[in-house]
Amino acid sequence: EIVLTQSPGTLSLSPGERATLSCRASQSVTSSYLAWYQQKPGQAPRLLIYGASSRATGIPDRFSGSGSGTDFTLTISRVEPEDFAVYYCQQYGSSPPIFTFGPGTKVDIK
Amino acid sequence: EVQLLESGGGLVQPGGSLRLSCAASGFSFSSYAMNWVRQAPGKGLEWVSGISGSGRNTYYGDSLKGRFTISRDNSKNTLYLQMNSLRAEDTALYYCAKEVWGIYSGRYFDYWGQGTLVTVSS
Repeated sequence: EIVLTQSPGTLSLSPGERATLSCRASQSVTSSYLAWYQQKPGQAPRLLIYGASSRATGIPDRFSGSGSGTDFTLTISRVEPEDFAVYYCQQYGSSPPIFTFGPGTKVDIK
Repeated sequence: EVQLLESGGGLVQPGGSLRLSCAASGFSFSSYAMNWVRQAPGKGLEWVSGISGSGRNTYYGDSLKGRFTISRDNSKNTLYLQMNSLRAEDTALYYCAKEVWGIYSGRYFDYWGQGTLVTVSS
């Protein structure tokens, strides 16, 4: 079973700064099966990125995803006040067919 | 507009049972796999179970050890999760999520409900 590790655990930034969030897998992940979600307090998770680099409908272009193999990155080019939240990466493995989430990275206000 | 509305959560004693429901609307329910994802208080997301659009194929997380059963009624556009032998560690907000699959886009959850809270305590 693939284990996802996210770093850092918490990222403290000021609005306008660049955010770089890392998701590392214990073994190679098919890029198309890597997604990112944003969760704000009291809300359900929201899909940001699928297929490692494709933005979901309605997601601003300041959000971008990249990576392959075992290392994936979510970048927020300029953090807006509404971007302070927890971000989770997720992968799908077909053998066995399960979904796995990373532990999350919290982006908070510096 | 896609809507997912969970219900059935509540307070249950250890060893008890509960059935969660998720009423779906705004899309062709039987065409999509559906999943349950839970989140313990203050913790991260944990995938619980998934079911194919037809209901023929079901999948479970390792931690469940046969205690949970996922099912669906496509005539009612409703997803279910039967939870038996509940433990304190099953206490969580349970979300239903619509799964999308594509050869190039992968597998992911594009819509989530707001969740239903299950509390296991004596």
